[in-house]
Amino acid sequence: QSALTQPASVSESPGQSITISCTGTSSDIGTYNYVSWYQQHPGKAPKLLIYGVSSRPSGVSHRFSGSKSGNTASLTISGLQAEDEADYHCTSYTTSSTYIFGPGTKVTVL
Amino acid sequence: QVQLVQSGAEVKKPGASVKVSCKASGYSFTSTDINWVRQATGQGLEWLGWMSPNSGNTDYPQKFQGRITMTRDISITTAYMELSSLTSEDTAVYYCVSKSGSRFDYWGQGTLVIVSA
Repeated sequence: QSALTQPASVSESPGQSITISCTGTSSDIGTYNYVSWYQQHPGKAPKLLIYGVSSRPSGVSHRFSGSKSGNTASLTISGLQAEDEADYHCTSYTTSSTYIFGPGTKVTVL
Repeated sequence: QVQLVQSGAEVKKPGASVKVSCKASGYSFTSTDINWVRQATGQGLEWLGWMSPNSGNTDYPQKFQGRITMTRDISITTAYMELSSLTSEDTAVYYCVSKSGSRFDYWGQGTLVIVSA
């Protein structure tokens, strides 16, 4: 099963909004609402940001939101801050009863 | 608070095996599945499979079947991941992760495994 597809990098100025896409197939994102997003700072373990497409764990800023349309999920970061500079990974459950990840998107705050 | 503390870095020769441990604390060890995820340098994350600490049941993606084994010792709330027949392609940081529903909730700090002759 191929990995999910994400843009390699996204850049934007502080205070602006960005959206990161995560494209799969009808065997994963298109079938299940089991999409989650993780933030990873350099040298650190990933941190859960969004689960179940659009739910936020307690403690995660409301500036992070998730959505899905067809085979593509999206993560939006509003009011971009310097601390948001990190890698962002998406994952989905699949019809093969496995989990697949995207390659990650590097977010740069200009 | 929930903590997953992993064993230290390993250097292995090609063809060898590696066993990484993951000590859990701050929650009921048998109530949450433990998954393993790895990340090669500069690459994305890759799911290696899961284990139920309660039953010992496991499931691995086909790519790793026959080469990976996940076990646990309930008495010391520790999970283990053993990977055999190592090649340079297995050089990566390995994470243990507790999973609740579809969410990978809590991550260990990672264990660097280097495979080099």
